[in-house]
Amino acid sequence: DGGITQSPKYLFRKEGQNVTLSCEQNLNHDAMYWYRQDPGQGLRLIYYSQIVNDFQKGDIAEGYSVSREKKESFPLTVTSAQKNPTAFYLCASRWTGRGNTEAFFGQGTRLTVV
Amino acid sequence: GDSVTQMEGPVTLSEEAFLTINCTYTATGYPSLFWYVQYPGEGLQLLLKATKADDKGSNKGFEATYRKETTSFHLEKGSVQVSDSAVYFCALSAREGGGGADGLTFGKGTHLIIQP
Repeated sequence: DGGITQSPKYLFRKEGQNVTLSCEQNLNHDAMYWYRQDPGQGLRLIYYSQIVNDFQKGDIAEGYSVSREKKESFPLTVTSAQKNPTAFYLCASRWTGRGNTEAFFGQGTRLTVV
Repeated sequence: GDSVTQMEGPVTLSEEAFLTINCTYTATGYPSLFWYVQYPGEGLQLLLKATKADDKGSNKGFEATYRKETTSFHLEKGSVQVSDSAVYFCALSAREGGGGADGLTFGKGTHLIIQP
């Protein structure tokens, strides 16, 4: 089945550590996105990528880093510079061919700092 | 820039009540419009979509009509169930053939609570 997979579902991090969240898609989508969601809040864009080896900062990129070495994969690293990383992280992908297309989302990763 | 405005929640209804969640948008070009649903602890799922003016998207008893004259895409359901309790996001995609953040805009979400 085609889809977008995030792992792990739950992640615990000690203060001062970097952690990497995985996002893989087999939908052959060019564009991929990372969003952060805090309790009772909407989505805030962290980074996005329209093509392999290229990515752009979103609204809240500070303290995060990404890579896009393969079309299928867009991992997000939460660095120690992110002062308040506890949140729900959502990855999405989208076909950017003809037409205005919808995004497909993974099931999310809940990151908790302990 | 593009924007989506939807009614703030939480919205609390009794089972079998009629539901309307308002959504209005501003966008350049000719956007496609979407409603997503998010159940607790999960990602967003596409609920329905409409790609041009006067189109009606429908799924699982939910409907929304793309109204270009009022720039609206209100979500409706005739009889809600407890299982419809979730957060609903209105969204638009407004760049023909494009990607990236400029092409995808979300509302802030409306938390719907259905009481038995």
